[in-house]
Amino acid sequence: GENVEQHPSTLSVQEGDSAVIKCTYSDSASNYFPWYKQELGKGPQLIIDIRSNVGEKKDQRIAVTLNKTAKHFSLHITETQPEDSAVYFCAASGSGYALNFGKGTSLLVTP
Amino acid sequence: SAVISQKPSRDICQRGTSLTIQCQVDSQVTMMFWYRQQPGQSLTLIATANQGSEATYESGFVIDKFPISRPNLTFSTLTVSNMSPEDSSIYLCSAEVGANVLTFGAGSRLTVL
Repeated sequence: GENVEQHPSTLSVQEGDSAVIKCTYSDSASNYFPWYKQELGKGPQLIIDIRSNVGEKKDQRIAVTLNKTAKHFSLHITETQPEDSAVYFCAASGSGYALNFGKGTSLLVTP
Repeated sequence: SAVISQKPSRDICQRGTSLTIQCQVDSQVTMMFWYRQQPGQSLTLIATANQGSEATYESGFVIDKFPISRPNLTFSTLTVSNMSPEDSSIYLCSAEVGANVLTFGAGSRLTVL
């Protein structure tokens, strides 16, 4: 089955700096790669996603890049703000419908 | 996008008892999923629940322990049976709202004493 690796497990940045979280996947058939943000006591919330026919996608301060050859994708958050502090999960979905999640990255943005 | 309501949001349960978690979606969806998230951990898929068919369980999860119902296109339940402290976890309901796109409920946090 699909195996998703996520790094780093924790990340601390100063407000205004950029944050990058990286994930790799094992199943070359995977074609959908979402990123979720989970705040304390809440369910995961989809923040951005990318499909295998696209190399990059941006939404304001958030961007995701995908390298299908290398089987890795990354989340980029620019101009970080304290409210970006949360746990971020990457996931991959292939021939089945279910998402396989990475272990999560705890992001802390300090003022 | 669909809104998912889960209840209970949290509960404290005694060892050996069972608890049913309810998941209500505000629109009709074909596919629903139940995930488990142990404290500080990632999300692990328990089963896929489609209306009109038996739930499909992932490796390590069995129907006797986690029976699931899916009576219609907006509702599902997950029962955690004969609970032990190892079942203490957050249980998350999700629904497919677009091609592979999942939205999640807020979760049900269970503590088993």
